[in-house]
Parts: sequence; structure tokens; C-alpha cells
Amino acid sequence: QKEVEQNSGPLSVPEGAIASLNCTYSDRGSQSFFWYRQYSGKSPELIMFIYSNGDKEDGRFTAQLNKASQYVSLLIRDSQPSDSATYLCAVPSYSSASKIIFGSGTRLSIRP
Amino acid sequence: ETGVTQTPRHLVMGMTNKKSLKCEQHLGHNAMYWYKQSAKKPLELMFVYSLEERVENNSVPSRFSPECPNSSHLFLHLHTLQPEDSALYLCASSLTGTDNSPLHFGNGTRLTVT
Repeated sequence: QKEVEQNSGPLSVPEGAIASLNCTYSDRGSQSFFWYRQYSGKSPELIMFIYSNGDKEDGRFTAQLNKASQYVSLLIRDSQPSDSATYLCAVPSYSSASKIIFGSGTRLSIRP
Repeated sequence: ETGVTQTPRHLVMGMTNKKSLKCEQHLGHNAMYWYKQSAKKPLELMFVYSLEERVENNSVPSRFSPECPNSSHLFLHLHTLQPEDSALYLCASSLTGTDNSPLHFGNGTRLTVT
């Protein structure tokens, strides 16, 4: 089993709709979770982080965490063409907190 | 100054060359990282330094040699590389190097080994 797993996509969503991106992780002791956005040819940039079970909202973005199911998701409301990018889920290892493991990313495409 | 600066942006080298990648952070962070990003593969952690001490060495071949002279600078020395080492090499920093400290990435060095 991969340490951090994401569907590679591409996920195609119409403009204005909700995009839902999912991530599962294998390290049951992991405490914090990050979502990064990476545009083609660019480096990853942090868009959300979450530590507690439940939802965390920041503008159009909502991160959802369920530690019992080892599942974290990212919702993007009112999707815009500028949201088209690859979204990376990142999880620090419980045994070594400086070891941050990335999923392979989900490519999101917002169609006008 | 941007937060994390990497040079060069692009590098082409032969398998017998020796070159170095440089990373500098202006964020006052205490931890610095090297990641490798290849096509269709997840970001691979290579090395982590916290307060200039190497804390992670993720089974990286010895042809890659990191150096962290201070908390603001990180180097990756390259020698006798293989074509499969061609990739985007990303440097990142974080405030504490712990699990609640997000990474801030540089723009990367696109490396091509011929």
C-alpha cells in the first residue's frame, strides 16, 4: 500500500461547480495534513493545512479530515479555470515528523 | 528577495561532470529539504536538514551529496549521474521541520543528464 494515495485524474469539473479531491494515507499516527497546488512548470504552493478531525474552511477551499478512516479531502467551491492544476496531498510521517510524504497528485481541469 | 531561491533554473550535464545545485532561503526557517520530482511519480524526499544537521537521508545514491553550511543555504553536489537522474529538483524550507510546519518551495532546478 502506498503511504499517501490519490487518484491521478484528470478530474474534469464545469466552471462554478464543486471540485472534490481525495487522499488516503497509511500512517495511522500522522497528525497533520497539507494540500499543495502545482501549476504546470511551477513549484508546489501551500493552499490548506488541517490538524483536527472535521472541516476547515478558507475562502473557496474546505479541507475535511477523518483520522479514523485515514482520509483527507479538499473541496473547491465555485471552481474557476484558474483552479486547473495538480493538487498534492502531503502527510508527515508519525515516526519522523520532518519526513513529509507526498501523494502523486490529482490533475484537476475546470472546463468553462 | 523571494522566499526560497534556487540556482541554476536549468542544468544540462554529462554523466562524467560534477556540478552543484544551490538553494537559499530568506524566511528565517530552521529546516531545509531536497525533493526530486520525476514525470508521473510523486515528489521523492531526498534529504532533510534541521539546524544544519542532516536528519533524513532517504536511501539516496552516493552520487548525490548534500551540504548545509548554515540554516539559510543548502547545496546538492552531483557527480557521475545517470540519465534516470534527469528530473526537477526542488528545494524547500520550513520553520521548525516538525509535522505542523508547512513547506515553502523554491522554483526548482530542471536537470538533464546526457
